[in-house]
Amino acid sequence: GEDVEQSLFLSVREGDSSVINCTYTDSSSTYLYWYKQEPGAGLQLLTYIFSNMDMKQDQRLTVLLNKKDKHLSLRIADTQTGDSAIYFCAESRRFGAGTRLTVKP
Amino acid sequence: NAGVTQTPKFQVLKTGQSMTLQCAQDMNHNSMYWYRQDPGMGLRLIYYSASEGTTDKGEVPNGYNVSRLNKREFSLRLESAAPSQTSVYFCARCDGGGWGVRLGTQYFGPGTRLLVL
Repeated sequence: GEDVEQSLFLSVREGDSSVINCTYTDSSSTYLYWYKQEPGAGLQLLTYIFSNMDMKQDQRLTVLLNKKDKHLSLRIADTQTGDSAIYFCAESRRFGAGTRLTVKP
Repeated sequence: NAGVTQTPKFQVLKTGQSMTLQCAQDMNHNSMYWYRQDPGMGLRLIYYSASEGTTDKGEVPNGYNVSRLNKREFSLRLESAAPSQTSVYFCARCDGGGWGVRLGTQYFGPGTRLLVL
């Protein structure tokens, strides 16, 4: 069936770049999304990419889409402690399990 | 809270009890959703409503019912709670019909934490 998969944990040092990866199966998705969830809060839309794009950059965030391989990634440049959160990849009506990003000072 | 409020914030139930989770939006959007979030499983869609008066099953609808009596409110009911329904429940709204003008940009409420003993 259709699925969205991502690794569960990522730990980086403050100032380094973070790369969170996601694979999906529904090739009909028009948009793909990254959401951020801080502790005790709901999800907030972080960024999204249209399926006919390869890359989208938004300040410290870079989204890369490989439609052939159905692979989506989120790169956070100059990662800060405030970036510590769970990041969800989503397509259509399905969400990945979330990647918990821990930023160490 | 992205224009979505949920009540209660936290609830403890005994097995077999019933309750209704309330969700309201203040943006007059057509689409609303209920998800449950469980550790290591991400969000799973329980039910959604594309417009007032219509509801459809999502991925995990068993044990739940929903009601969309007006555009603003979308409630989730557990008729006979089970321990397997212990979870965090999120309601979301979407700007536009179906999956939205930007096809799925959803705005989430703060969640309801439910514990079923």
